[in-house]
Amino acid sequence: VVLTQSPGTLSLSPGERATLSCRASQSVSSSYLAWFQQKPGQAPRLLIYGASSRATGIPDRFSGSESGTDFTLTISRLEPEDFAVYYCQQFANSQWTFGQGTKVEIK
Amino acid sequence: EVQLVEFGGGLVQPGGSLRLSCAASGFTFSDHWMHWVRQAPGKGLEWVARIGQHGSPTDYADSVEGRFTVSRDNAKTTVFLQMDSLRAGDTAVYYCAREIYFHDSSGYYYRFFDYWGQGTLVTVSS
Repeated sequence: VVLTQSPGTLSLSPGERATLSCRASQSVSSSYLAWFQQKPGQAPRLLIYGASSRATGIPDRFSGSESGTDFTLTISRLEPEDFAVYYCQQFANSQWTFGQGTKVEIK
Repeated sequence: EVQLVEFGGGLVQPGGSLRLSCAASGFTFSDHWMHWVRQAPGKGLEWVARIGQHGSPTDYADSVEGRFTVSRDNAKTTVFLQMDSLRAGDTAVYYCAREIYFHDSSGYYYRFFDYWGQGTLVTVSS
């Protein structure tokens, strides 16, 4: 299963809404779909699991949704600390795969 | 507090071997699948391998199948990654990660990585 994230880069201002897309090449189980945030020099941080459940301690401005093979991470109002790279991830056929990432940068 | 600490990275020549370790603490190690994930410089995340709670099953990405071996020692709460026949393309920061696997009251199963180590850098170069 290939996960394709779009756009590659999103240029936005603090306070704006960010919508990140992750499309699977075939049907995947939404309960095995997760989103991570990664900042330079840091390990990835779990944001969303099961396509739409927020991980412990994650602010409610982060939300996940799904429609068929399309998954979306939405950040309702960008805070300065949200500018980072975001990855989606899924599990199928004993293999885990990541999308190529979306960079959210300050406009 | 859950902690995962990787070590064993370094510079190795092409064709050489290296063994990474990831020491875990703060949780019941034998309850969890464990994973290795890597990230080449300036690139995205790539899943490498996983190992079941008691040492099996194991699964690998196609890119490392036959060259890398994942193992664990539950008594020492440590997971290992033996890397042989290393290539320049294996240069990356290697992270270990803990998997959570559970089902909810509706019977849906969930799997995700909730804790990651800080990573250890492996450089394959002559």
